[in-house]
This record gives sequence, structure tokens and C-alpha cells, in this order.
Amino acid sequence: NAGVTQTPKFRVLKTGQSMTLLCAQDMNHEYMYWYRQDPGMGLRLIHYSVGEGTTAKGEVPDGYNVSRLKKQNFLLGLESAAPSQTSVYFCASLLAGGYNEQFFGPGTRLTVL
Amino acid sequence: AQRVTQPEKLLSVFKGAPVELKCNYSYSGSPELFWYVQYSRQRLQLLLRHISRESIKGFTADLNKGETSFHLKKPFAQEEDSAMYYCALKRVGNTPLVFGKGTRLSVIA
Repeated sequence: NAGVTQTPKFRVLKTGQSMTLLCAQDMNHEYMYWYRQDPGMGLRLIHYSVGEGTTAKGEVPDGYNVSRLKKQNFLLGLESAAPSQTSVYFCASLLAGGYNEQFFGPGTRLTVL
Repeated sequence: AQRVTQPEKLLSVFKGAPVELKCNYSYSGSPELFWYVQYSRQRLQLLLRHISRESIKGFTADLNKGETSFHLKKPFAQEEDSAMYYCALKRVGNTPLVFGKGTRLSVIA
């Protein structure tokens, strides 16, 4: 059981470039989330998904898009990267129902120059 | 709107001293409260949840609905407790967690 994995681990982009972050989970979880972590700001929810083919906006969705074509994968896209998107990005997943634990990935450190 | 407040950005204590990390929340319903911990350059992991009423690594937290608080406590801090601690709230149903801004605990030898 790999749990929640994220690729890549690190990335440096130039302003205006695009990229996709991949999150994968092998726990058959229904719900998946993308957060960004910034100093002094804590964790802020970007987008989330409650099932295959569905996505919803979180607290800070602007500049990002997501897709959940397969249950086990949740993609986060940056179409035109900006320096304000320099952050550490965490993916998480959750099994529906009850008082379940939300599992996090190891994070992707993104720098936009 | 739901909100989680962790008033201290940084908390420094000496080894062996008691620790209390504060968490207050605003939510009109019955919340689920969690504490997550993030050790240096690692992923977040669940430390404890109010529903379990358990002690993990010597830490406990009690939900006080009257004061809308869920403070994390440990009687004797250890150096390995140094980490970032996040309080999180979950509303009724499978809704996303709402996180506080975190408190960095530094335990000084």
C-alpha cells in the first residue's frame, strides 16, 4: 500500500509556463483534495473532488484547474504559472462515511520564477 | 462560516515542561475536531481526533463545546515533539477539513 503519492516532488517553473501535478491513491478513497501550504497561512484548500468525474472549488481556486477522470487520480493544473503560486502543494484523500482519517501525500515543492 | 483559530504561530517550551497548543473554532453545528502534526519536511499525519478520546504520544485534547475549544496538551514535552501542529474542523457529512494556520512547537533541550 503506497497510500497517497505525488509527482513530481520538486519543480521550478518560469512565469507563464504550465504544468500538471499528479496525485494518486491506492486506498479506493472517494474524496480527494488539493491544498497549498504557505508560511503563516496554514493549509488552504484549492479544489476537491467527491468522486470520479466531479470537482468543486475550495478556498483559493483561482489560477488552478483540476480533473478526476479516474477514481485513484486527481490532477492539479497550472495553465500560466505566477510567482504567487510558489508554494508546497499537498494532496489528500478520504474514505467516505464515518469519522475517517484524511491521508496526505508527501507534498510537491513548486517554485515559480 | 466555519473558522479555526490557532492564536500562537510559535510556541517554545523547555524539555519536560507542560505544553498546551490552543485551538478555537466557530461552527454552529456539531463539529468533528482533529489535530494533525507535520514533522520537518514530512507529510501531515493525524495525531488525534476528538471522537476517539485517546492519548497519542502523550498528547490529549478535549472538546469543550461551551468554550468552542479543542486545545492540545502534553504534560512533559520531548524534543521529538518539535513540529508544526494543525487543528482542523470537519462539518457534518463528508465536507472538506477546515484547517487553522498552525502552531510551530519548538522544544528546547
